Amino acid sequence: AQRVTQPEKLLSVFKGAPVELKCNYSYSGSPELFWYVQYSRQRLQLLLRHISRESIKGFTADLNKGETSFHLKKPFAQEEDSAMYYCALAGNTGFQKLVFGTGTRLLVSP
Amino acid sequence: DAGITQSPRYKITETGRQVTLMCHQTWSHSYMFWYRQDLGHGLRLIYYSAAADITDKGEVPDGYVVSRSKTENFPLTLESATRSQTSVYFCASSESRQLNSPLHFGNGTRLTVT
Repeated sequence: AQRVTQPEKLLSVFKGAPVELKCNYSYSGSPELFWYVQYSRQRLQLLLRHISRESIKGFTADLNKGETSFHLKKPFAQEEDSAMYYCALAGNTGFQKLVFGTGTRLLVSP
Repeated sequence: DAGITQSPRYKITETGRQVTLMCHQTWSHSYMFWYRQDLGHGLRLIYYSAAADITDKGEVPDGYVVSRSKTENFPLTLESATRSQTSVYFCASSESRQLNSPLHFGNGTRLTVT
């Protein structure tokens, strides 16, 4: 069974501090992993996906198959990064099997 | 990103009543999805549709009915609402099932069942 675990409900940091949002997954096959973000009063939107190996808004995430993790990192947090972040996993069957974690609220204080 | 719209934004209904949540997209995306968002559960897939007249169950389909007579519309009906269905409902669409095609979400409908 697919499962995504985000152990922190809330992560509070000061502006300029490094940020790491944790995501661990359980999946027997080859996973496709994503981070979605929901800013206040905005729609849930894709932030990044591991298959693209991209950096969006300074965020990166590396898939660690040994630790079954896909943590989201940013070296210097900004106030505008405050949002709800969801880690999501899809098997190779596509979006119909996309499983979301419970989400982590990131609060960046000035 | 006004291509996918949900209505209503807020709805209060009573236990036992039927209620329909609407979802409309203007991109002609093949795939559409309904999720519910609850504290402690994140987003959970209720139903999805691969094309007009093709629908399938997701993780939590009980108590819900969907239809897709037209590509652009994917309504979700609660046939007899229960308090446990109080939630925020999100509709999403995708051009294809391929994972390099992102999900586009609507603004959500906050449903309260009293």
